[in-house]
Amino acid sequence: AQSVTQLGSHVSVSEGALVLLRCNYSSSVPPYLFWYVQYPNQGLQLLLKYTSAATLVKGINGFEAEFKKSETSFHLTKPSAHMSDAAEYFCAVRRSGGYNKLIFGAGTRLAVHP
Amino acid sequence: GAGVSQSPSNKVTEKGKDVELRCDPISGHTALYWYRQSLGQGLEFLIYFQGNSAPDKSGLPSDRFSAERTGGSVSTLTIQRTQQEDSAVYLCASSLYTLDQETQYFGPGTRLLVL
Repeated sequence: AQSVTQLGSHVSVSEGALVLLRCNYSSSVPPYLFWYVQYPNQGLQLLLKYTSAATLVKGINGFEAEFKKSETSFHLTKPSAHMSDAAEYFCAVRRSGGYNKLIFGAGTRLAVHP
Repeated sequence: GAGVSQSPSNKVTEKGKDVELRCDPISGHTALYWYRQSLGQGLEFLIYFQGNSAPDKSGLPSDRFSAERTGGSVSTLTIQRTQQEDSAVYLCASSLYTLDQETQYFGPGTRLLVL
């Protein structure tokens, strides 16, 4: 069965500091992995996705994530946080082979303070 | 172009009433998904449509929940005899096809409150 674990329900960083949001997955077959961001009272917006083409994936708004099979991880990073990055971030996995639903982690709320 | 739209944006209802939630996917998208976001359960898959058929409805929590899609476009999620535990944000998403790496585009959600 597929599952996703996001370590840390809340992360707080200073503006300009490194952002690191952790995601570990469990999958018996090669997964497809996604990071979505949700701003208050809005739907989910795709940040980036891993589809096996490259292990380092660059997304929108300066975010990137690295797929590490040996660690079953897909952590999201950004070198320098902006105030506008404050939002909730969700990691999701989708099993290959025609299983279409996304399995989401519990989410990590990122706070950015001056 | 236009994104996924959902209506109403907010719905307050009394326990025991029926509610209908609507989703308009991105034009031309063949796949449509419903998810539920609640405090206790996080983001959960409910049902998936390919065209007008639903190959996977495994996430529907009870037989009070049903959904249909017509014309390969608009979808309606119906909750009968609502209960307080149905209070949540109901999110709809669509994708062009159903390939594994396909991006799902989400609507803003319908926030349902059952009193």
